[in-house]
Amino acid sequence: AQSVTQPDIHITVSEGASLELRCNYSYGATPYLFWYVQSPGQGLQLLLKYFSGDTLVQGIKGFEAEFKRSQSSFNLRKPSVHWSDAAEYFCAVGAVGRYSTLTFGKGTMLLVSP
Amino acid sequence: DGGITQSPKYLFRKEGQNVTLSCEQNLNHDAMYWYRQDPGQGLRLIYYSQIVNDFQKGDIAEGYSVSREKKESFPLTVTSAQKNPTAFYLCASSILGGGMNTEAFFGQGTRLTVV
Repeated sequence: AQSVTQPDIHITVSEGASLELRCNYSYGATPYLFWYVQSPGQGLQLLLKYFSGDTLVQGIKGFEAEFKRSQSSFNLRKPSVHWSDAAEYFCAVGAVGRYSTLTFGKGTMLLVSP
Repeated sequence: DGGITQSPKYLFRKEGQNVTLSCEQNLNHDAMYWYRQDPGQGLRLIYYSQIVNDFQKGDIAEGYSVSREKKESFPLTVTSAQKNPTAFYLCASSILGGGMNTEAFFGQGTRLTVV
């Protein structure tokens, strides 16, 4: 069974500084990998996803993520954080298959300081 | 606009009562899903359905029930057997082929509180 670990429960970043959120996954083959963002009391919005091809994936809102097979990681990055980026971020893994569901990590809460 | 509508946004339940959360989608998606979210726990899969009149248990199905009588609707009932039902519930949908590996769309959630 697949699993996802997000080591950081909370991260605080100054506005304008760079951001990296960590995600490690466990899956026997090449997985589908996702990053979602959630504002308080809201649903989830897809930031980006990876399955194959270029290991550096570009997403919405200026986010990118890099797939590193050797490290079983899919870290999310942004070069310059804005106050509106404050939210909870979830990494998820999906198994290959017609009826795939997603397994989510426990999330990382991003706080942005002025 | 196409999307997923969950209602109500807030729901209060007395202990021992069953309560039903609504999820409707107009995206023409075949597959629908229910997740439970607790602080610090991420999202955990309760039930999912790929087609009408068929559904499968997820990781934490005990104390919950679902039905899928229409393609557009996937209501979740939280029964009195669920011992800790206070949580945020999220409904999602996707096209069938590839399941949630294609883009999954999420509703805005229902916050259920037991009083």
